[in-house]
Amino acid sequence: AQSVTQLDSQVPVFEEAPVELRCNYSSSVSVYLFWYVQYPNQGLQLLLKYLSGSTLVKGINGFEAEFNKSQTSFHLRKPSVHISDTAEYFCAVSERDTGNQFYFGTGTSLTVIP
Amino acid sequence: DAGVIQSPRHEVTEMGQEVTLRCKPISGHDYLFWYRQTMMRGLELLIYFNNNVPIDDSGMPEDRFSAKMPNASFSTLKIQPSEPRDSAVYFCASIAGGKGNSPLHFGNGTRLTVT
Repeated sequence: AQSVTQLDSQVPVFEEAPVELRCNYSSSVSVYLFWYVQYPNQGLQLLLKYLSGSTLVKGINGFEAEFNKSQTSFHLRKPSVHISDTAEYFCAVSERDTGNQFYFGTGTSLTVIP
Repeated sequence: DAGVIQSPRHEVTEMGQEVTLRCKPISGHDYLFWYRQTMMRGLELLIYFNNNVPIDDSGMPEDRFSAKMPNASFSTLKIQPSEPRDSAVYFCASIAGGKGNSPLHFGNGTRLTVT
């Protein structure tokens, strides 16, 4: 089974500053990687996903993430955050061809300060 | 596409009462998942179905919890009797296919409060 670690439980950042939310997973087997965002009183929505190909993937709302196989990481970045980015962010991993298990991190609460 | 629909959005009940949470997955999705979210434990998988058949219920906390999927468009999660420690947000999610490369589509959740 996979273990997904989001080291930062809370990240405060000033508006228009860059941000990086870190995600590491445990296994070196082939994986699919996802970032989800959860706004208050809502379900999780997909931000972006890595399935194969280019290790830099771009998602909605200006977010991007880079897959690093050697470091088993999938960090999420945005060069300039907006107040509306305040939310909870979850990293998730699934293993290729075993399909149905999605392993979630504990989440990072991003607070954008005006 | 209406998305995953959950009802009710909020449920407040007294300890010992039966609670039923409902979910309608996205049409055509053949996998359905029930998750529970709490501050202490984060997002926990309770059970998932494939083609209406329960595949893995190892996350169901105890016998007080049961889930059914009588058809492809409807699932229920029942707690009987409910306890205060069951207070959480319960999410339903669905996907099409089982190779892990399809992202989960989540409903907006049911916030359960047991007093």
